[in-house]
Amino acid sequence: ETGVTQSPTHLIKTRGQQVTLRCSSQSGHNTVSWYQQALGQGPQFIFQYYREEENGRGNFPPRFSGLQFPNYSSELNVNALELDDSALYLCASSHPQRTTQYFGPGTRLLVL
Amino acid sequence: GQQVMQIPQYQHVQEGEDFTTYCNSSTTLSNIQWYKQRPGGHPVFLIQLVKSGEVKKQKRLTFQFGEAKKNSSLHITATQTTDVGTYFCAGTQGGSEKLVFGKGMKLTVNP
Repeated sequence: ETGVTQSPTHLIKTRGQQVTLRCSSQSGHNTVSWYQQALGQGPQFIFQYYREEENGRGNFPPRFSGLQFPNYSSELNVNALELDDSALYLCASSHPQRTTQYFGPGTRLLVL
Repeated sequence: GQQVMQIPQYQHVQEGEDFTTYCNSSTTLSNIQWYKQRPGGHPVFLIQLVKSGEVKKQKRLTFQFGEAKKNSSLHITATQTTDVGTYFCAGTQGGSEKLVFGKGMKLTVNP
């Protein structure tokens, strides 16, 4: 069984730039959620995708957007990067109709 | 909005000691989950509790869901150095897909 994978592992961007993070879900999982984890904090829910549609969103501005593809992989796009966007971005997949999250290793984003 | 609070935020114990950490929600939860994150790693699912008053054990770890489904506890017996990490509780409310995490309890163990 293949686990959740994410790319890239690390990324450095400057303010105002745009970034795309990628995630491949665990085999058999059709639901993908994205979380932002700032240093010393718990993961914060950004949004979830199910069957290529957004299925719930946390308190993040519209410059955070996402996609899910037919193979259940997903992208997180962040436009107009701000310094506070520096964080670990975690992707998690789950079974249909279950909330247990299986997390990937994350992408560490640094915005300068 | 829904908030999940964990106490204490930091716990330092001697190897072999027992301790308990707590998780409190501002709202009634549909379920509560616990995750462990090792330093430099990602959260790993430990357990899910769904029923009021439910108690589950995993080796030296005992998890409990409160009767009102607004709080939970994690008790670790005979702490080992392998228990080091940050423990998060997370809950969902109603039919929401949103999993709300606490800030975590960072455990360090003195061998």
